[in-house]
Amino acid sequence: GQNIDQPTEMTATEGAIVQINCTYQTSGFNGLFWYQQHAGEAPTFLSYNVLDGLEEKGRFSSFLSRSKGYSYLLLKELQMKDSASYLCAVDGGSQGNLIFGKGTKLSVKP
Amino acid sequence: KAGVTQTPRYLIKTRGQQVTLSCSPISGHRSVSWYQQTPGQGLQFLFEYFSETQRNKGNFPGRFSGRQFSNSRSEMNVSTLELGDSALYLCASSLGVRAMPTYEQYFGPGTRLTVT
Repeated sequence: GQNIDQPTEMTATEGAIVQINCTYQTSGFNGLFWYQQHAGEAPTFLSYNVLDGLEEKGRFSSFLSRSKGYSYLLLKELQMKDSASYLCAVDGGSQGNLIFGKGTKLSVKP
Repeated sequence: KAGVTQTPRYLIKTRGQQVTLSCSPISGHRSVSWYQQTPGQGLQFLFEYFSETQRNKGNFPGRFSGRQFSNSRSEMNVSTLELGDSALYLCASSLGVRAMPTYEQYFGPGTRLTVT
């Protein structure tokens, strides 16, 4: 079967670092997406990892290990505005389907 | 540069009717992807078009269809609406197709469809 797991909720403190993990088991793999979605808003694309390793974009970094079926999103210097849901999605389903995780709701506390 | 636009923003339809939603990508973008988001199922991928051709497809019934025009604008159609089709329908545009490490997407605000 196809499965993507990520924690349901996480809480972190303003200014800290948080790591949101995503593990996957899919029939194929072409790449892995991370999205951010604030309540009541459309998602925002954060990253698309195709190759193993760490990709950094400002305060956000995304890591991929294809052999382990594992990715994480690292958020540094947390700000209150980072409170949102973070969605992991694997590009690897049949006919090019994207398989989404249920999302991780991150709450940043002062 | 204008962002991704979707019309209409809100729509109420009755079971059994059909609906057409429109998406205009960012100027120069040739790829448009469609998604459905519901509280129960979360975000789900519908299909992706590039240069008027469907490149990727999600696991939705044939009632859901789409097309892309030569100016990259895209429409999606849902026929014989069911109550469960009530959702936020999102489109996203990108310059190229997936599998490129430089791939990026930009989402529109979505169309909120309510089926009664």
